[in-house]
Amino acid sequence: KQEVTQIPAALSVPEGENLVLNCSFTDSAIYNLQWFRQDPGKGLTSLLLIQSSQREQTSGRLNASLDKSSGRSTLYIAASQPGDSATYLCAVRFMEYGNKLVFGAGTILRVKS
Amino acid sequence: GAGVSQTPSNKVTEKGKYVELRCDPISGHTALYWYRQSLGQGPEFLIYFQGTGAADDSGLPNDRFFAVRPEGSVSTLKIQRTERGDSAVYLCASSPSGPSTDTQYFGPGTRLTVL
Repeated sequence: KQEVTQIPAALSVPEGENLVLNCSFTDSAIYNLQWFRQDPGKGLTSLLLIQSSQREQTSGRLNASLDKSSGRSTLYIAASQPGDSATYLCAVRFMEYGNKLVFGAGTILRVKS
Repeated sequence: GAGVSQTPSNKVTEKGKYVELRCDPISGHTALYWYRQSLGQGPEFLIYFQGTGAADDSGLPNDRFFAVRPEGSVSTLKIQRTERGDSAVYLCASSPSGPSTDTQYFGPGTRLTVL
């Protein structure tokens, strides 16, 4: 069974700090990896999608990297703000499973002002 | 433009009852997905439609769960004889097509509580 693991489960940082969220997955045979943001009681907002042929994607203060061979991805958030407080989910589309996404349990981020 | 919408936003029912959850995907999106998210967990895949047909229903937990998409747009997730363990947030997502490269766009979810 393919799995996705996220570390840490929760993170609290002061405003302005740079931070890294980690995601690991059990098989390098993937189509893509996606990072999502989820606010309390809300659905998921896609942040970045990295195709298996890519090494990283950037959007504003966010940068996501992908290392397929080691089964790892990181989400880097620069100059964090209180508005970044949310749960961040990593999801992988494994080739073995076709079109469905396999999600990690998420990292709960709190940025203190 | 309009995103994925789901109704109702909240549903409270009693054990043993039947419920229907509705998903309106983004217009023109051919692929539609249902996921279930329990408290403190990431979403878990239930079923995937490509057009009108269920291309993958391997995530449905048992035969009490069924989903349809008769005209290739709106989908309904149906749960019979609900159990307390069915309580969760049910999320729907859509994408322009089914290939491996597309982003999935999620709705706000339906929070189901079975008393």
